[in-house]
Amino acid sequence: ETGVTQSPTHLIKTRGQQVTLRCSSQSGHNTVSWYQQALGQGPQFIFQYYREEENGRGNFPPRFSGLQFPNYSSELNVNALELDDSALYLCASSSSGADTQYFGPGTRLTVL
Amino acid sequence: GNSVTQMEGPVTLSEEAFLTINCTYTATGYPSLFWYVQYPGEGLQLLLKATKADDKGSNKGFEATYRKETTSFHLEKGSVQVSDSAVYFCALIMDSSYKLIFGSGTRLLVRP
Repeated sequence: ETGVTQSPTHLIKTRGQQVTLRCSSQSGHNTVSWYQQALGQGPQFIFQYYREEENGRGNFPPRFSGLQFPNYSSELNVNALELDDSALYLCASSSSGADTQYFGPGTRLTVL
Repeated sequence: GNSVTQMEGPVTLSEEAFLTINCTYTATGYPSLFWYVQYPGEGLQLLLKATKADDKGSNKGFEATYRKETTSFHLEKGSVQVSDSAVYFCALIMDSSYKLIFGSGTRLLVRP
């Protein structure tokens, strides 16, 4: 059974740029959620995708957007990067209707 | 709104000491409760869960009991090891929701 994978592991961007992060869900899972974890804090929910549609959204501005593909993998896109977007971005997958989410290793984004 | 409160760290213990990390929650309803662990430079790993009152979750020597009367889900381990050094997150999810709500995390440092 393949776990949740994310790419890239790290990346560095400058203010105003755009970034795309990628996630492959665990086999058998059709739902993907994205979280932002700032240094020293707990993860904060960004949004969730199910059946290629956004299924719920946290308190993040529209410049955070996402996609889910037919194979259940997902992308997180962030436009007009700000310094405060520097964080660990975590992807989690689950089965629809299940309460347990399984996390990937994360992507560390640094915005300079 | 729904929230999770954890004891502040760091918690520093000697090897083989008894561990308790306190977690309380506020929720309008009956959430499922989780403990996740994050090792340095890694994503979150599910440690244990409980889905209803009086359930006990357990894994790798860790235990937590869902206490509805005190709205708590304290994490315990009888004898910690150096390898248990990590950050521990308490989290909840509501039946009707799609997002995990996390506490701020408690760092555990176990000294040999």
